[in-house]
Amino acid sequence: NAGVTQTPKFRILKIGQSMTLQCTQDMNHNYMYWYRQDPGMGLKLIYYSVGAGITDKGEVPNGYNVSRSTTEDFPLRLELAAPSQTSVYFCASSGAGVMNTQYFGPGTRLTVL
Amino acid sequence: GQQLNQSPQSMFIQEGEDVSMNCTSSSIFNTWLWYKQDPGEGPVLLIALYKAGELTSNGRLTAQFGITRKDSFLNISASIPSDVGIYFCAGQHTGGSQGNLIFGKGTKLSVKP
Repeated sequence: NAGVTQTPKFRILKIGQSMTLQCTQDMNHNYMYWYRQDPGMGLKLIYYSVGAGITDKGEVPNGYNVSRSTTEDFPLRLELAAPSQTSVYFCASSGAGVMNTQYFGPGTRLTVL
Repeated sequence: GQQLNQSPQSMFIQEGEDVSMNCTSSSIFNTWLWYKQDPGEGPVLLIALYKAGELTSNGRLTAQFGITRKDSFLNISASIPSDVGIYFCAGQHTGGSQGNLIFGKGTKLSVKP
C-alpha cells in the first residue's frame, strides 16, 4: 500500500491564481482530512470528509473548497490564492471510529507571492 | 480556536539522555495522541492514549494520559540521533466529529551525537 499520497510536493503561486492540491489514499478509509501547518505551529484542520459525497468545515476553511466524489480522492481547491495561504498542507485519512489512527501524507509546500 | 500548550518548544540533549515533554489543555480530552514529524514529511503516530491514567510504551517511548484528562506527557529514554524531529501532541474530543484533533505547537528535539 502507498498509504496517503499528495501532489504536487512544492508549488509557487501568484496572488489570485487558483490550484488544486491532490490527495489519494489506498487504505479504503472513510474519513479524510486536510490540514495546514504554518511555521512553528501545529496542524490546523481546514476541511474533512466522513465519506464520498460528504464534507464539512474544520477550524480554518475560509479560502478553500473540497469535494469527495470517491472514497480514494479528496482534492483541496484554492480559488484565489492569497499570501496568507502560504503554508504546508497535509492530507490525512482514517478508518471510522474514534480509535482509528489518522495517517498523514508527505505534504505539499505552497508559497503564494 | 482551542490550543494545547506544549513544552518545551525545543531542546538539545546529549545522545543517551532521557527526554520528557508534555502537553496541557484547559479542556478535557478523551484521546491523547503523540506524533513525530521528520523534516519534509507528514506526522507519524507514535502512541495513542484512550483512557485517563493510561500509561503506554512503544519501544523507548512512554506516554501517559493524565488523570485530569487535561494533560499528557511523552518520555523518550536513551535518546539516539534518529530521535531528532518535531514531536506533536494532539487531543481529541468524542461525541463530535472525528476530525476534531487539536494539535500542540510541537517540541523540536535536537540530539548532539
